[in-house]
Amino acid sequence: GAGVSQSPSNKVTEKGKDVELRCDPISGHTALYWYRQRLGQGLEFLIYFQGNSAPDKSGLPSDRFSAERTGESVSTLTIQRTQQEDSAVYLCASSQQPGLEQFFGPGTRLTVL
Amino acid sequence: DAKTTQPPSMDCAEGRAANLPCNHSTISGNEYVYWYRQIHSQGPQYIIHGLKNNETNEMASLIITEDRKSSTLILPHATLRDTAVYYCIVRVGSGGSNYKLTFGKGTLLTVNP
Repeated sequence: GAGVSQSPSNKVTEKGKDVELRCDPISGHTALYWYRQRLGQGLEFLIYFQGNSAPDKSGLPSDRFSAERTGESVSTLTIQRTQQEDSAVYLCASSQQPGLEQFFGPGTRLTVL
Repeated sequence: DAKTTQPPSMDCAEGRAANLPCNHSTISGNEYVYWYRQIHSQGPQYIIHGLKNNETNEMASLIITEDRKSSTLILPHATLRDTAVYYCIVRVGSGGSNYKLTFGKGTLLTVNP
């Protein structure tokens, strides 16, 4: 595709519900990253996928957060039992190789009421 | 990532060149200078990167001093749509585990009509 796409663009949910966020990276990009950005804050790294290697989950803030990636295509980020502090924009990025320039999607704005 | 220093804000008149400085006095020999920007309510956007030679692409030019301790991003003809926060980052290129992108506070560039 032309760029990284994410869905939904906005998600409003109630505290305690589970949410699933989707990312479609640029075709051919082997590396995929998830970040979180709270209002007025910088990027917070969550998780990184590279090919068939084990993902780097070191940025996931709790065990309520998980992510999957099928091969070198779509990825889903799942947040279970959402809390109000999970409210943020969740950004996905991909790069042709690890460490090269990352191309970001438009993000999913998650609001937990 | 090596520390960078940028002014918190700058103004530029529409149609004029915008010159955004960045200091990175502790940069290592294998670290590149990357620039990203983030327009309000959008995901970060890659602009340009360089190692020691000046670089130019369709978006901007990057001027790196000979000692590599500072650089300047130049938007040759700023438009209102260039109003954004601009982030200067120094990091190694491909390979290794340095794939987590970390933004500092950046420079808020406001292009005025």
